[in-house]
Amino acid sequence: EVQLVESGGGLVQPGGSLRLSCAASGFTFSSYWMHWVRQAPGKGLVWVSRINSDGSSTSYADSVKGRFTISRDNAKNTLYLQMNSLRAEDTAVYYCAREEPVADAFDIWGQGTMVTVSS
Amino acid sequence: SYELTQPPSVSVSPGQTASITCSGDKLGDKYACWYQQKPGQSPVLVIYQDSKRPSGIPERFSGSNSGNTATLTISGTQAMDEADYYCQAWDSTPVVFGGGTKLTVL
Repeated sequence: EVQLVESGGGLVQPGGSLRLSCAASGFTFSSYWMHWVRQAPGKGLVWVSRINSDGSSTSYADSVKGRFTISRDNAKNTLYLQMNSLRAEDTAVYYCAREEPVADAFDIWGQGTMVTVSS
Repeated sequence: SYELTQPPSVSVSPGQTASITCSGDKLGDKYACWYQQKPGQSPVLVIYQDSKRPSGIPERFSGSNSGNTATLTISGTQAMDEADYYCQAWDSTPVVFGGGTKLTVL
């Protein structure tokens, strides 16, 4: 079964750090570009970051640039999001998603992991 | 930055046709896709490349994209279709989502 499973969310104080993980299974992880998308409570989907298949190219939303770092370990079939200098407005469910190049869309999503930034 | 605009809410009676629009500058020149999200669940792709349905998505879901507007159409809407729907397109950002539309089936 094709699956993405996020972990690493939790409660963190403003200014703190957190690393999210997304474990992939059921497909050739190293062949796909991967993304992080977040959703604040009661709000819409917001794109956060993207990484290409071999990890050599990354992109970030302006709101997280310089604070978040996306990376991947293709040997471990795992995607990461290192989040530093966290702010209250980063509070959200964070989803990892697979970019299907033929579809030009996100065809597989994880179940999400909740990040709460609060003192 | 590129923006996609959706109506906050759309209501439809069971068995009728629901149309959800997504507007953006020259959106018809880009591919648009649509996601369905039910409460407490992850988004699910229902339309990609303007009008194509992934495997497992019912035929009642269809899409179009022309000019500045992409449209998701649900024919013979069922109670199970009640959900939030998001359009998405690719830009220099590189990914843009619409604000989402809550579809109510009354």
